[in-house]
Amino acid sequence: QVQLVQSGAEVKKPGASVKVSCKASGYTFSSHYMHWVRQAPGQGLEWVGTMNPSGGSTRHAQKFQGRVTMTRDTSTSTVYMELSSLRSEDTAVYYCARVGGDIQAFDYWGQGTLVTVSS
Amino acid sequence: DIQMTQSPSSLSASVGDRVTITCRASQTISTYLNWYQQKPGKAPKLLIYTASSLQSGVPSRFSGSGSGTDFTLTITSLQPEDFATYYCQQSYITPYTFGQGTKLEIK
Repeated sequence: QVQLVQSGAEVKKPGASVKVSCKASGYTFSSHYMHWVRQAPGQGLEWVGTMNPSGGSTRHAQKFQGRVTMTRDTSTSTVYMELSSLRSEDTAVYYCARVGGDIQAFDYWGQGTLVTVSS
Repeated sequence: DIQMTQSPSSLSASVGDRVTITCRASQTISTYLNWYQQKPGKAPKLLIYTASSLQSGVPSRFSGSGSGTDFTLTITSLQPEDFATYYCQQSYITPYTFGQGTKLEIK
């Protein structure tokens, strides 16, 4: 069965960086784009970016320009999202989500990783 | 970026009711419109993709329609487990923007 398992909660100080992992299993890792979505406390869903695990190409929302880096390790079927220069507004639950094979939608999601930015 | 606007932002209904949530895109997105359900403390769950296709395992009381810029999610005969927040999302072009959400509460 498809599973996306994310790393645990993080507490960071403003200006620091955080790296969240998402380990995929139960399907062919390179065949499905992976996306990152975040949700600030009590707020809606915000798209962060996407990666093609096959070639490693990425795209991200303009607001994260220069601050977000998405990578992958094909040997462990894991994708990573690193966000730098953290500020309090980055406090959120970060989700990884897989795009379905024949559908342009997020059919499986990780359990979420809470990132708290606080001095 | 494509803006997605949902209405209403919140909705009170009773078990057994039929409810409709609308989503409007700021430009045409063909049928690249998805609906998700989210319960507190949980990841979103895909309900409907490409505007009207029911995701596997989702009850048939959920349905979607629309194309271009205007879309609807309909839930017939509300069940207690349907009280949650619903989001639309366009997957026509990145950034894959979401609507602001519709919170469905028990009346």
